[in-house]
Amino acid sequence: KAGVTQTPRYLIKTRGQQVTLSCSPISGHRSVSWYQQTPGQGLQFLFEYFSETQRNKGNFPGRFSGRQFSNSRSEMNVSTLELGDSALYLCASSSPTGGTDEQYFGPGTRLTVT
Amino acid sequence: EDQVTQSPEALRLQEGESSSLNCSYTVSGLRGLFWYRQDPGKGPEFLFTLYSAGEEKEKERLKATLTKKESFLHITAPKPEDSATYLCAVRFMNRDDKIIFGKGTRLHILP
Repeated sequence: KAGVTQTPRYLIKTRGQQVTLSCSPISGHRSVSWYQQTPGQGLQFLFEYFSETQRNKGNFPGRFSGRQFSNSRSEMNVSTLELGDSALYLCASSSPTGGTDEQYFGPGTRLTVT
Repeated sequence: EDQVTQSPEALRLQEGESSSLNCSYTVSGLRGLFWYRQDPGKGPEFLFTLYSAGEEKEKERLKATLTKKESFLHITAPKPEDSATYLCAVRFMNRDDKIIFGKGTRLHILP
């Protein structure tokens, strides 16, 4: 079974631009979560989607948004990029209806804002 | 405020030298505690889920245990390939099912 895939793997953007990251979950998984990982703050929860609905949202500004499509693929968008948005963005999928909570992570998208 | 704290931040061991990593959390209403391994440049890899105090899970040289306020990841006779960052995460019942990650323990096994 294929794992979680994320595209693109690397991205360089300029301050003020916007960016869209994509995540394809493991086949059959309907829950997708997004995290930001930085050396100083570690892994921080952004939001979680289940069946196209946002279930939870972390403490990030409104510039960070996401959505999930009917095939469970998810995108996250960051508008008006700031230098501090440089990070590894990780997507994780899970199957909560399958009775387990563990999340399976993709390789991440490394975003650099200059 | 709900918190997940991992210690130590970094640990260097000789090959074969057993040790334990700690993950403590300050909230009631635990829904689940998760351990992950993360190699440089990769996403975290799932290791274990623990749900209730007294529960234990094992996989090769790793054993995870859970008490009411903390979890331990015991590493027995580690090998250099066990070098990685080990992350602990907690899902709380009273936080709308949000997951909070600790900052991890960087483990380095010297040959």
